[in-house]
Amino acid sequence: DAKTTQPTSMDCAEGRAANLPCNHSTISGNEYVYWYRQIHSQGPQYIIHGLKNNETNEMASLIITEDRKSSTLILPHATLRDTAVYYCIVRLRNFNKFYFGSGTKLNVKP
Amino acid sequence: EAQVTQNPRYLITVTGKKLTVTCSQNMNHEYMSWYRQDPGLGLRQIYYSMNVEVTDKGDVPEGYKVSRKEKRNFPLILESPSPNQTSLYFCASTPTGDTEAFFGQGTRLTVV
Repeated sequence: DAKTTQPTSMDCAEGRAANLPCNHSTISGNEYVYWYRQIHSQGPQYIIHGLKNNETNEMASLIITEDRKSSTLILPHATLRDTAVYYCIVRLRNFNKFYFGSGTKLNVKP
Repeated sequence: EAQVTQNPRYLITVTGKKLTVTCSQNMNHEYMSWYRQDPGLGLRQIYYSMNVEVTDKGDVPEGYKVSRKEKRNFPLILESPSPNQTSLYFCASTPTGDTEAFFGQGTRLTVV
């Protein structure tokens, strides 16, 4: 069973915020939420991760609900170069196992 | 420059001919993994390694072998490739602790 569920695709206007949702209703207390993106067929690129608190870095913000069953990745000002497949991933803490979902294809349009 | 290097980037081979895809990282990471990516299925973990001489199966290990004789290298071995192993393969390395994994640029394998 998939550990994460994401919409297949989303559109976003250039310059606007992109909000990408992810459901991880079976997440345990020892599992982190990670976000990666993949442009064309290149290697996945790390964006952000968190356990239960909201996180922000230079690329994005991660909002995790209080019950930890879902999260949202926010790209504050999407550009055309942000067009990619975005993966929401659950990772067991201190363990080298990442569970990738099917990802969301984000299309940023001019 | 910190990186994960896979070779080859592209490979076409025939059924049954043994092959090895190499993966090397220069970041002194303990953890390394192999993934395959197929259309509509995302990335699925094949094997992972927590340290030298410590490896374990991921979600789709059938038909693959790995070894971890030294920290920097984690080769993926296909003893007898079959067409259903045609895929895009990624190697990743991760330091200990809860930080990000670094991915290689991928190896596109076609088995005919």
